[in-house]
Amino acid sequence: AQSVTQLDSQVPVFEEAPVELRCNYSSSVSVYLFWYVQYPNQGLQLLLKYLSGSTLVKGINGFEAEFNKSQTSFHLRKPSVHISDTAEYFCAVSESRNRDDKIIFGKGTRLHILP
Amino acid sequence: GAVVSQHPSWVICKSGTSVKIECRSLDFQATTMFWYRQFPKQSLMLMATSNEGSKATYEQGVEKDKFLINHASLTLSTLTVTSAHPEDSSFYICSAHEVSGANVLTFGAGSRLTVL
Repeated sequence: AQSVTQLDSQVPVFEEAPVELRCNYSSSVSVYLFWYVQYPNQGLQLLLKYLSGSTLVKGINGFEAEFNKSQTSFHLRKPSVHISDTAEYFCAVSESRNRDDKIIFGKGTRLHILP
Repeated sequence: GAVVSQHPSWVICKSGTSVKIECRSLDFQATTMFWYRQFPKQSLMLMATSNEGSKATYEQGVEKDKFLINHASLTLSTLTVTSAHPEDSSFYICSAHEVSGANVLTFGAGSRLTVL
């Protein structure tokens, strides 16, 4: 069965500094990977996804992630963060493109933007 | 894009009562919806997969009789927390797949349940 590990529960970073949120996964088959963002008291919003093709995926709000099969990682990056990026970020994995297959989430990483 | 609506967004109830949470897909049909539960500062835990016209598929450890799921139409799934207790207090989030066909979820805004 697939699983997702987000190594950092919290990441503090100064405004306009770069940030990387780490995500590692385990699976016995090909995977499809996602990053979601959750603002306080809200549902989740898709940041970006990797389904196939280029391993560097660009998403909304200036975020990007790189799929590294050999390291089983899908780290999220942004070159310059803004105060509005303060939120919880979840990495997720699915073993199928099938619409009915479940998606498993990591425990989340809280991004704190320091002024 | 696809929108999933949840109602109510916040509900407070007395211990022992039942609470129903609705999840609607707006402008698209969803044969499958997913119900997640999120405790404070924790990740989402998949509770069950709601299947239109058939029984829901529950994850291990989730009580079927406690969390009743009904998916009576292609745009509506409901989660009923029966005989609620304070430990059921949580943030419940539903989701459905975007119409693009890929396994990408659109989430509702969530429903916060507080059981007194």
